[in-house]
Amino acid sequence: AQKITQTQPGMFVQEKEAVTLDCTYDTSDQSYGLFWYKQPSSGEMIFLIYQGSYDEQNATEGRYSLNFQKARKSANLVISASQLGDSAMYFCAMREGLQGGKLIFGQGTELSVKP
Amino acid sequence: SAVISQKPSRDICQRGTSLTIQCQVDSQVTMMFWYRQQPGQSLTLIATANQGSEATYESGFVIDKFPISRPNLTFSTLTVSNMSPEDSSIYLCSAQSDSVTNGYTFGSGTRLTVV
Repeated sequence: AQKITQTQPGMFVQEKEAVTLDCTYDTSDQSYGLFWYKQPSSGEMIFLIYQGSYDEQNATEGRYSLNFQKARKSANLVISASQLGDSAMYFCAMREGLQGGKLIFGQGTELSVKP
Repeated sequence: SAVISQKPSRDICQRGTSLTIQCQVDSQVTMMFWYRQQPGQSLTLIATANQGSEATYESGFVIDKFPISRPNLTFSTLTVSNMSPEDSSIYLCSAQSDSVTNGYTFGSGTRLTVV
């Protein structure tokens, strides 16, 4: 069965610095997708970035990049130049298969950006 | 990407009663998903709703407690039946919104309090 683990319940980062949020996963499938979502205090779920298991390049979306290490089964999110508005819960999620399917979420990391 | 309208946004209910949550998507989607998010926790998948077939429930969730309807490709409902205070949570629906980015879009959530 698939499993997602986020071992950092809370993280602090200084404004304008970079931060890495950890995510490890476990699956027996060769084909899978990895996602990161942001959930601010308002509760909405905001899609940040996606990495497919066969993608050779690390995904990037603006200030977000995904450090994908397939052999280690890790998919860490890197946020560069942190902003105060980045303070939120961040969830790593996985879907088995590359097409449609359910998302399973990790426990989440609460990021606080300090001015 | 798809937009989901979810309602109600919040409700306070008496124990023993039932509440039906509705999600309307502005485009046709194959699968819709229902999640529960208990206070300070991650998202836990309740079930996957396919149009024209019975929903597929995750371990720990049963149809009698959480009946789901999916009458067409743009609409789904989740009913929380015979509620107890332990059912107090945020309930979110989701659908895969864009096959290119593989992102999933979420409704704004229903904050349920059972008294």
